[in-house]
Amino acid sequence: QSVLTQPPAVSAAPGQKVTISCSGSTSNIGSHYVSWYQHLPGTAPKVIIYDNSKRPSGIPDRISGSKSGTSATLGITGLQTGDEADYYCVTWDTNLNTGRVFGGGTKLTVL
Amino acid sequence: QVQLLQSGAGVKKPGASVKVSCKTSGFTFSNFGFSWVRQARGQGLEWMAWISAYSGKTNYAQGFQGRVAMTTDASTSTVYMELRSLKSDDTAVYYCVRDENGNSGWFYWGQGVQVIVSS
Repeated sequence: QSVLTQPPAVSAAPGQKVTISCSGSTSNIGSHYVSWYQHLPGTAPKVIIYDNSKRPSGIPDRISGSKSGTSATLGITGLQTGDEADYYCVTWDTNLNTGRVFGGGTKLTVL
Repeated sequence: QVQLLQSGAGVKKPGASVKVSCKTSGFTFSNFGFSWVRQARGQGLEWMAWISAYSGKTNYAQGFQGRVAMTTDASTSTVYMELRSLKSDDTAVYYCVRDENGNSGWFYWGQGVQVIVSS
């Protein structure tokens, strides 16, 4: 069971918007920056959001991140079939020797 | 350019050990820390361990305490991860990742190596 809670799956049609939640506690999300990763089968995960809401170079602005209290949210608008992937939130946890912790992952299906 | 090239994939028997390497290039090795992340068969991503290439300080996830060891070789800019007492549940793809100074993102990943634990 993951320290951070994500919905196992979300889906939406092409062009629509989807949000993926990541729920934690004061020792992790409430105290530390959150990053988000897109993971396609057979490839290394790719950072799409870091420091709660910053986008790396090359990540389009239809992808966004936010954090409030002990929860974080990833948003993707204008869905494309290429967005179909697994998405993970990551942060640190002070109660776990300040190691990193992952959410369980969310499978995004673009219908 | 920044590169993390992993090796050490293979099939191991239960109870054995595996040592996976991650040879880095394109940056000053001692300026960074490195993590290992794995994806077990049918599971999500899981952080295992971290090491500072500057000090050698390590931090291991609770679930791997006593079974995992990370080391570095500054002369070859290589990071190692050894996992002992392998179980079938350790069958996974293992990734090395460069930890960035000053931000939370993992921008650079190794290609991943598959370790299969089977009798």
